[in-house]
Amino acid sequence: GAVVSQHPSWVICKSGTSVKIECRSLDFQATTMFWYRQFPKQSLMLMATSNEGSKATYEQGVEKDKFLINHASLTLSTLTVTSAHPEDSSFYICSARDHDQDTDTQYFGPGTRLTVL
Amino acid sequence: GDSVTQMEGPVTLSEEAFLTINCTYTATGYPSLFWYVQYPGEGLQLLLKATKADDKGSNKGFEATYRKETTSFHLEKGSVQVSDSAVYFCALSIGYGNKLVFGAGTILRVKS
Repeated sequence: GAVVSQHPSWVICKSGTSVKIECRSLDFQATTMFWYRQFPKQSLMLMATSNEGSKATYEQGVEKDKFLINHASLTLSTLTVTSAHPEDSSFYICSARDHDQDTDTQYFGPGTRLTVL
Repeated sequence: GDSVTQMEGPVTLSEEAFLTINCTYTATGYPSLFWYVQYPGEGLQLLLKATKADDKGSNKGFEATYRKETTSFHLEKGSVQVSDSAVYFCALSIGYGNKLVFGAGTILRVKS
């Protein structure tokens, strides 16, 4: 149980285009999902917290107009990188918390490798 | 603010050696503590957790004890295998629903 998937697993795009990444909880409902960014050989940096049916809460320094987050259902959150540039190239990871579990454990997706040319 | 400090890697061990990866934390409240593992090319997996002082989390031969007096949550394994080679992240979370704060991660390499 507690499986989180991400799609796509990797994407290459041209500078200036937008890319959408999906995060799904497959066998549980997630009222809260989190989006992280991980640079090579570094730790995870939290970008935003996404709550179903409400606006995402962004961490300081994260541009909300560039990284659009939508959490339309209890099993799906999307991150759209708008007008991507090479500096946006990174590994994007989502996680989800089980709505029905009395715990603060987060379950992580496998990540999406974004390369902007 | 809340933070997690891990020992720097990489840690290189021979198969069947004893493993310790140190982790200390700073928190304003009473955090839950976690160890996550990231195998090459994969996402993070929860390895073990502890939610209060003196709790011991364990899984797959790994153990960590929540030490409030030393604000530590060191990861240990008695006999490592090549398949344990991965990056290990210590993390904390305060209160239900709060975000995870990660350490920098420690690369473990196990040689046969």
